[in-house]
Amino acid sequence: DTAVSQTPKYLVTQMGNDKSIKCEQNLGHDTMYWYKQDSKKFLKIMFSYNNKELIINETVPNRFSPKSPDKAHLNLHINSLELGDSAVYFCASSEDNSPLHFGNGTRLTVT
Amino acid sequence: DQQVKQNSPSLSVQEGRISILNCDYTNSMFDYFLWYKKYPAEGPTFLISISSIKDKNEDGRFTVFLNKSAKHLSLHIVPSQPGDSAVYFCAATPGTGGGADGLTFGKGTHLIIQP
Repeated sequence: DTAVSQTPKYLVTQMGNDKSIKCEQNLGHDTMYWYKQDSKKFLKIMFSYNNKELIINETVPNRFSPKSPDKAHLNLHINSLELGDSAVYFCASSEDNSPLHFGNGTRLTVT
Repeated sequence: DQQVKQNSPSLSVQEGRISILNCDYTNSMFDYFLWYKKYPAEGPTFLISISSIKDKNEDGRFTVFLNKSAKHLSLHIVPSQPGDSAVYFCAATPGTGGGADGLTFGKGTHLIIQP
């Protein structure tokens, strides 16, 4: 019974394509996040959503757009994919400043 | 600009001994510190945390020490077990809690427990 689940686990696509990664949490948390782990292994925050409102937006290209249809979902849409977008993307959720619960990651490879 | 630094990419420890993982930070605004553990092909899982008002927090085999003046924290695991083999991430936040303000992570230390 996975708490934070993201799909797909692996995504291989060509430059210029548009792709989406889905994330769902069944913990009832009110805040969801997207983190990116790049080739240097740094985990960096991209977005967070609290009650359907964007509350953090780091310096991420506007080709990346989070979409939250409801409190339990935060999907990540990426337009015009570039080679540098290749990374592992982690979805996470939290409640009332509790520690983050992470999904298992989506490994995106852009060729 | 690495605000959270884990200078040891890997650490090898014999089973039963103590594992000590170190973390340094540069941002004085950080108020809350966390350690996450990550197995291959899985997401990071929360292990233990400490607020800046404390210098030690213990949970079973895991103890985190914070030296605020030195901007240094460490995670002690004793005794080390084979299942502790994983990548350990140090993280920090300026908030009072565990994540709503966004966590800044270090690069991680790969801990290998040898039988």
